[in-house]
Amino acid sequence: GAVVSQHPSWVICKSGTSVKIECRSLDFQATTMFWYRQFPKQSLMLMATSNEGSKATYEQGVEKDKFLINHASLTLSTLTVTSAHPEDSSFYICSARDRGTQYFGPGTRLLVL
Amino acid sequence: QKEVEQDPGPLSVPEGAIVSLNCTYSNSAFQYFMWYRQYSRKGPELLMYTYSSGNKEDGRFTAQVDKSSKYISLFIRDSQPSDSATYLCAMGTGTSYDKVIFGPGTSLSVIP
Repeated sequence: GAVVSQHPSWVICKSGTSVKIECRSLDFQATTMFWYRQFPKQSLMLMATSNEGSKATYEQGVEKDKFLINHASLTLSTLTVTSAHPEDSSFYICSARDRGTQYFGPGTRLLVL
Repeated sequence: QKEVEQDPGPLSVPEGAIVSLNCTYSNSAFQYFMWYRQYSRKGPELLMYTYSSGNKEDGRFTAQVDKSSKYISLFIRDSQPSDSATYLCAMGTGTSYDKVIFGPGTSLSVIP
């Protein structure tokens, strides 16, 4: 099956700093990628849909200036959490669509101190 | 009413049992259905994908879709401790700007 990678898998940062998370489709091209966050024992919450070559579409309640998404190529989307605060600590997961099926990355655990 | 409903569990069964996981949905536009398995602190892994009503089997897993009742199920035969995970149902409409909608997930524990 299709493989999606994320980097880093773990990041700890100080409050006020920015953190960039990369999502790559390794063996297929993805015009559409998705970013989710997941709190402990809760389901996935879609944050935004990332489209190659155009602006991301954000879900209601997600601050686009806080969570910057760039989908510069068919295999790479990045999520930058700007001026991170402790409440941004979460598990961030990306997925990429391949012929109608979504394949997920392994996730990035962010801890903001 | 939420678009996709799923009993969160937790569900605990003995090893070897048959497990039945279910989701109901309200949007009749959903055309394809998936089941994902998520281990703790990992990303979801696709288990089953189906378009049509009826059954689809893959090893110990059987996915069942009843579009008339807006009900989908995942059956796990001969359950193993390694099946202990959270199972998420997901579905989409298949249109150009389709968004996959996930159920909240059911936590399953298979006891040796």
